Order: sequence, then structure tokens, then C-alpha cells
Amino acid sequence: GDSVTQMEGPVTLSEEAFLTINCTYTATGYPSLFWYVQYPGEGLQLLLKATKADDKGSNKGFEATYRKETTSFHLEKGSVQVSDSAVYFCALSDWDGNNRLAFGKGNQVVVIP
Amino acid sequence: GAVVSQHPSRVICKSGTSVKIECRSLDFQATTMFWYRQFPKQSLMLMATSNEGSKATYEQGVEKDKFLINHASLTLSTLTVTSAHPEDSSFYICSAYPASGGPDTQYFGPGTRLTVL
Repeated sequence: GDSVTQMEGPVTLSEEAFLTINCTYTATGYPSLFWYVQYPGEGLQLLLKATKADDKGSNKGFEATYRKETTSFHLEKGSVQVSDSAVYFCALSDWDGNNRLAFGKGNQVVVIP
Repeated sequence: GAVVSQHPSRVICKSGTSVKIECRSLDFQATTMFWYRQFPKQSLMLMATSNEGSKATYEQGVEKDKFLINHASLTLSTLTVTSAHPEDSSFYICSAYPASGGPDTQYFGPGTRLTVL
């Protein structure tokens, strides 16, 4: 079945550092790809999305490009802030009308001042 | 943006008791809600799809008699963990989306931490 793999382990970095979180996927169809963010004590929020190959999703300084050839959707931000500390989930939806999402394990990002 | 609430946020219960978790869409009507379960350092696993006015659709391996889902109105779905055991301890998350929405319009609740002693 469809699945999403995120890099292992938490990510700790200093303010203004470059952030990359890797995400690869396996899907039989042509999925839409998403990044969700979960701030402490809150529900998951959609951060960005891409619906077809070579699309770039962007929001709040974060970017991710849908790479069909490498089945990847890596999340990047050029200069992180303390307020970016959260858990980030990569997800896919094989748009078959059921709106079901498959999630990666999530990565805890901690930004140190 | 749209808001989905869950109640309670945390619950501790004794083994053998039943626990009800509520999921409410506060400012939109949701014909469909999803229930997820999250283990520590694991991804969200879809448990079931809750449809207003009809029976829930459970994912493979999820016991429907164990996890009772009721979607009695367009703004409320409940998950009842029956005869809870310590292995049911987990983080339960719901999501909801408006009737005409796609997968990117799902709104998630903040989750409920269940601890079974």
C-alpha cells in the first residue's frame, strides 16, 4: 500500500540555520503530497502541498518540490526561527475520493536561540 | 481557519473501563471524520472513517467492537474505547473536512492522550 518514509530522529539546529527534512514515498497512483506541522498542544496544520510532479509547495518560508523521479518531497527552509520548533509530518493522499492520508513518522524540530 | 476540538485532552482510566472521546467541528459541517492513533515516535495510523448517519468504515486490523464510532451529527463524532487495556494507551487524533473539501482541507483536532492503568 501507499506509504511515506521520513528521516529518522529529531532535528536540533540553531536559529538562522538551514533546515532539511527528507521524505520519500511509495504509491501506486499519482498521489498528492503534503507537509503538516504540529505545534505543541495543537492539532496538525497543513503547511504546504503539491499535487503533481515538479510542483513546488511553499508557505512561511518553507518549500518542498514534488520529485516523481526520486519519489521524494523534501522540506526545506533557508533560515529557521525558534518559532519553527514543532513536529513536521510528511503525508500523501492518493486522490481516489476517500480523502485518506498516509503519514510519515514525523520529525521533531528544535530550534535553539 | 476551521477548528476541530477534542475532549478530553487527557484521560486516565482503569483497565476494563470504557472511555469516550469526542471530536467536534466548531465552525463547519463535516460529513466525514477520521480517527487516527499515534504511538510514540510513530506515524499517525488511520483507524476508521466516520460517516454521518451511517456505520464507520474500519481499517484492516482495527477491532470495530473495541473501538466504537458514532457520528450522530454533522459536527460531532465520538470514539469509545470499550473495556480498555494498557495496550490501548495511545494518542488519539481526529480530523474532519467540509462536505465539498479534498484531502488538503482536513482539519485536525489537538488529540487525546489515553492512559490505561
